[in-house]
Amino acid sequence: QKEVEQDPGPLSVPEGAIVSLNCTYSNSAFQYFMWYRQYSRKGPELLMYTYSSGNKEDGRFTAQVDKSSKYISLFIRDSQPSDSATYLCALGDFNKFYFGSGTKLNVKP
Amino acid sequence: NAGVTQTPKFQVLKTGQSMTLQCAQDMNHNSMYWYRQDPGMGLRLIYYSASEGTTDKGEVPNGYNVSRLNKREFSLRLESAAPSQTSVYFCASSQSRTGGTEAFFGQGTRLTVV
Repeated sequence: QKEVEQDPGPLSVPEGAIVSLNCTYSNSAFQYFMWYRQYSRKGPELLMYTYSSGNKEDGRFTAQVDKSSKYISLFIRDSQPSDSATYLCALGDFNKFYFGSGTKLNVKP
Repeated sequence: NAGVTQTPKFQVLKTGQSMTLQCAQDMNHNSMYWYRQDPGMGLRLIYYSASEGTTDKGEVPNGYNVSRLNKREFSLRLESAAPSQTSVYFCASSQSRTGGTEAFFGQGTRLTVV
């Protein structure tokens, strides 16, 4: 069983839609939760970082962590064509990070 | 700010050849990582170095060796390349030795082994 499960998509939405991206995990030792965005042929770039259950908001992005259900989400409001990318969740324990396989998002103009 | 710099960006190797992928970070981070990314597999940890002078295996270490040359530099060596090592390789760094901080990535090295 993988440490982190993430639906690979692809997910296609119209511009302006609310997007929900999700990951589940099995190891309760994970304490740190991140979302990365990766454009084609580029390295992942950090979008959101949190270490606690609850919500964290940054502009159009909201990260949600539910440690009791071992479930994390990323919401994108008012999605834009420039948001088209692959989104990777990442979970960290002592000094390692484990990544989901990524969800490919396409926002259509 | 350069951040994390990887060289080379592209490489084609013949089976059995060796090569070293270079990584340097200018953020004074303690921890450095090497990942490989394959379609549908996400990022898988090859090796990591929690601090200068230490290295540890990740999920997929077989066929690779690493050197933490100093605090800035962390290299990945393929001693005898195999087609199964065709992948995109990413180096990353993070501040903390003990975890709990985000990782920053380089732009990747696209390696093809024929």
